[in-house]
Amino acid sequence: DAKTTQPTSMDCAEGRAANLPCNHSTISGNEYVYWYRQIHSQGPQYIIHGLKNNETNEMASLIITEDRKSSTLILPHATLRDTAVYYCIVREAQGGSEKLVFGKGTKLTV
Amino acid sequence: DGGITQSPKYLFRKEGQNVTLSCEQNLNHDAMYWYRQDPGQGLRLIYYSQIVNDFQKGDIAEGYSVSREKKESFPLTVTSAQKNPTAFYLCASSITDWSQSTFGSGTRLTVV
Repeated sequence: DAKTTQPTSMDCAEGRAANLPCNHSTISGNEYVYWYRQIHSQGPQYIIHGLKNNETNEMASLIITEDRKSSTLILPHATLRDTAVYYCIVREAQGGSEKLVFGKGTKLTV
Repeated sequence: DGGITQSPKYLFRKEGQNVTLSCEQNLNHDAMYWYRQDPGQGLRLIYYSQIVNDFQKGDIAEGYSVSREKKESFPLTVTSAQKNPTAFYLCASSITDWSQSTFGSGTRLTVV
């Protein structure tokens, strides 16, 4: 079962910031938060991951609350090409046999 | 450029026939995975392999088979025992574990 809860869908105006929330209230201390996105009829693409500090890369920023029970993926200036399903996943980062569990994600329409 | 290649992109087969989906990677990744995706749904894990000549069943392995004879290749066979084979199939690979997986562009299988 997925350990995360995400809204089914969201809209964002082009050029504005897209803020995608994710709840993971049962996250344990050694579990990371990963974000992937899937553009229609393509394979998922890794975006970013983090443990407790906020992270930023060329694609997005990840803000994790202090209690780590929720996080927000931020696309600072959304474009039409950012329209996709965004998956928030929680798992251990290194080794182990725990799988990546993809839920239904959030359908973002720009 | 390194990447992961799935072929063909679209595949049509008659009911009762076995069909093999190709997945090749030149990323030097040890681990490879097969997922199935149905319309409007998330991904479900079929099989995974963390090293050559070894593989494990995922959540929905029934009706599927795999082999891992080479590091670069992880073909998936959809057998006639798979009751609902029509789906979008995704192959992925990662360096050592599940975390930062690289996905192929998928094969859409339609059984008629």
